[in-house]
Amino acid sequence: SQTIHQWPATLVQPVGSPLSLECTVEGTSNPNLYWYRQAAGRGLQLLFYSVGIGQISSEVPQNLSASRPQDRQFILSSKKLLLSDSGFYLCAWSWGGLRDGTDTQYFGPGTRLTVL
Amino acid sequence: EDKVVQSPLSLVVHEGDTVTLNCSYEVTNFRSLLWYKQEKKAPTFLFMLTSSGIEKKSGRLSSILDKKELFSILNITATQTGDSAIYLCAVARSSNTGKLIFGQGTTLQVKP
Repeated sequence: SQTIHQWPATLVQPVGSPLSLECTVEGTSNPNLYWYRQAAGRGLQLLFYSVGIGQISSEVPQNLSASRPQDRQFILSSKKLLLSDSGFYLCAWSWGGLRDGTDTQYFGPGTRLTVL
Repeated sequence: EDKVVQSPLSLVVHEGDTVTLNCSYEVTNFRSLLWYKQEKKAPTFLFMLTSSGIEKKSGRLSSILDKKELFSILNITATQTGDSAIYLCAVARSSNTGKLIFGQGTTLQVKP
């Protein structure tokens, strides 16, 4: 079976500090990977997605970046955090490739980031 | 521009009530519609709907899709306090990226 891990679970960082959030998936190969941010009580905003190693697509302009150094590893980074970067960050995976009926994304436990 | 709109945004009911959550969409190349339940942390998958008029059911939860009128409903009967959560609707387009377009979510509170 497949599992998805995210760490850390919570993070408090000062404005201007760097950020690195990690996500790993087990039990599958060549998954599609996604980073979302969720403001309190709201829907999910897609930040980045990746269909393969080194392939990153950005959905919104921001001071965040993403990388996929290995097939099942997805990293969200920032060089200098802003107050507006606070939120709940979720990583998700789905089956990769041209499949029908496999639109379901499976989410990790999330990281709650507070920028002070 | 593709969009998914959920209503109501929030809802307070008492245990035993029946609730209906709505999700309408305007998306090109529609492929499927998904419902998720989010409590404290990760959204958990409830249903995926691809065909009109076919009800999906799991216990007290059920959902149906209308591809002509471009909406879906999620019904919860005999609500319990454990049903309190954010319910998210998302739509997938025909592509190989697997991207989902999410609605704003409906926050449901079930009071004892």
